[in-house]
Amino acid sequence: DAKTTQPPSMDCAEGRAANLPCNHSTISGNEYVYWYRQIHSQGPQYIIHGLKNNETNEMASLIITEDRKSSTLILPHATLRDTAVYYCIVVYNQGGKLIFGQGTELSVKP
Amino acid sequence: DAGVIQSPRHEVTEMGQEVTLRCKPISGHDYLFWYRQTMMRGLELLIYFNNNVPIDDSGMPEDRFSAKMPNASFSTLKIQPSEPRDSAVYFCASSPRLAGMDNEQFFGPGTRLTVL
Repeated sequence: DAKTTQPPSMDCAEGRAANLPCNHSTISGNEYVYWYRQIHSQGPQYIIHGLKNNETNEMASLIITEDRKSSTLILPHATLRDTAVYYCIVVYNQGGKLIFGQGTELSVKP
Repeated sequence: DAGVIQSPRHEVTEMGQEVTLRCKPISGHDYLFWYRQTMMRGLELLIYFNNNVPIDDSGMPEDRFSAKMPNASFSTLKIQPSEPRDSAVYFCASSPRLAGMDNEQFFGPGTRLTVL
């Protein structure tokens, strides 16, 4: 599975959009980009995933560059409850396991 | 559905004792995963099952660790004998499938294990 690179930490003001970047320059055509988050003391929670097209759900939007070497998770209106560690994971579509890196610790501040 | 259920939520034991962690996956999910999380090593996959059969146990740290899934609604992770370095949060997760679309994993609340 391709390796991902994320900034270790980010801050965001409450009510503003949080844009979390992820680099996955070695991603192959058979690999998806998944995002999970882990709120303190809880189990990880699935957010969104995509292959090549941009995706949106009730939690977030995922923007994948045309060359697929990087992506951005967007939380459109961050709240204090969005404070968490966000993991970007590249997964092989024929049976890849989730390999968690260190993620980005997002702090949403009032 | 109640989600993935784990018990106990907290376990404190002494070195050398046997520890058994329990997990009930979401009904209908064919895959079950056990993870361990520590500050030093982050979140690591230990083992996963498909239809109650262990598929990949390459993450199990050593022979002191064993996992079973006697039926589709129950799995255990056993540590015998336990050591202080086993102190961690252990998560169980389940998924309807492993490959392709819609293979998101649903995690339980975790069991915080402390070995004194």
